[in-house]
Amino acid sequence: KAGVTQTPRYLIKTRGQQVTLSCSPISGHRSVSWYQQTPGQGLQFLFEYFSETQRNKGNFPGRFSGRQFSNSRSEMNVSTLELGDSALYLCASTSGSSQETQYFGPGTRLLVL
Amino acid sequence: QQQVKQSPQSLIVQKGGISIINCAYENTAFDYFPWYQQFPGKGPALLIAIRPDVSEKKEGRFTISFNKSAKQFSLHIMDSQPGDSATYFCAARGYGNKLVFGAGTILRVKS
Repeated sequence: KAGVTQTPRYLIKTRGQQVTLSCSPISGHRSVSWYQQTPGQGLQFLFEYFSETQRNKGNFPGRFSGRQFSNSRSEMNVSTLELGDSALYLCASTSGSSQETQYFGPGTRLLVL
Repeated sequence: QQQVKQSPQSLIVQKGGISIINCAYENTAFDYFPWYQQFPGKGPALLIAIRPDVSEKKEGRFTISFNKSAKQFSLHIMDSQPGDSATYFCAARGYGNKLVFGAGTILRVKS
């Protein structure tokens, strides 16, 4: 079974631009969660999508948004990029039922200049 | 109340020794406590996980000890190997599939 895939793996943007990151979950998984990882703040939950609906949201500004498609693939978008948005963005998938393991992708490394 | 506190920040252990990482939480609504291992350039990978109704779980060289009354849990790595050198994160699951992570422990096993 293929794991969680994320594209692109690396991205360089400038302040004020916007960016879209993509995540393909493990086949059959319906829940996709996004996390931001930085040296200063560690791993922080952004949001979770299940069956195309946002089920849970972390404490991030409205510039961070996401969506999920009918095939469970998910995208997250960050608008008006700030230097502090430089981070590793991780996507994790689960089957959606309770007590299930979250499987993480390799992440997208975003650098904002 | 959403925090998970992890210690130590870094740890150096001799090959064959025991590595111990500790975590503490406040929110009693957390219902699942996984440990993740992360190598540079990779995403976190699940190592072992426990539910609050169990006091200990062992998988190979990895053991989680869970103290519900103290709201603490720990990871023990027996017979630590150089290949175990990585960053370890404890986590706790809240509503839905939201994971709250500890700050991480950088483990170095000296050969």
